[in-house]
Amino acid sequence: DAGITQSPRHKVTETGTPVTLRCHQTENHRYMYWYRQDPGHGLRLIHYSYGVKDTDKGEVSDGYSVSRSKTEDFLLTLESATSSQTSVYFCAISVGNTDTQYFGPGTRLTVL
Amino acid sequence: SQQGEEDPQALSIQEGENATMNCSYKTSINNLQWYRQNSGRGLVHLILIRSNEREKHSGRLRVTLDTSKKSSSLLITASRAADTASYFCATANNAGNMLTFGGGTRLMVKP
Repeated sequence: DAGITQSPRHKVTETGTPVTLRCHQTENHRYMYWYRQDPGHGLRLIHYSYGVKDTDKGEVSDGYSVSRSKTEDFLLTLESATSSQTSVYFCAISVGNTDTQYFGPGTRLTVL
Repeated sequence: SQQGEEDPQALSIQEGENATMNCSYKTSINNLQWYRQNSGRGLVHLILIRSNEREKHSGRLRVTLDTSKKSSSLLITASRAADTASYFCATANNAGNMLTFGGGTRLMVKP
């Protein structure tokens, strides 16, 4: 698992509530990514980071924000969760931006 | 929209047979990668092939890349029941700032 942990692993929440997912790495990799996985869509990139306080949007960034205040943590926030954000969320890291990515175990989020 | 599209979406074979999965993509790439995902788990990297490479091997895996056709194939030889998983291709764009994944092929290997 390349030293990547995600918390929580499972969460059930209600529409309109804020939710923060945490990705933690122990190996000081520069690049970190948040994806969501839905049936029939594979993985889609939400946001990524290329260093502390350096982030950029991915393919499906609407409704999500991220923060990276230190190398080891990359936070994904849903300011006001909607049912369409029910998904499995994966964090990944890479050494270089086009190199192999290593994935965390995932967080299953259900928004009722 | 997905950059990579895998074909077939699902594949069922007997143990010992070979499994071939194909991936097509739309724009120019830096490299193409294949990942495996067991049910309920994160993705695991299998192999990376760069845009100037045509074929690569790793154990029972063989990957080909045809940039003129914008396509790649993953061959798993002498399959085992433990190979049962979903397999995804992912392309790294030339700007080098993101991977784009296809929808995956679900492989079932029957013992």
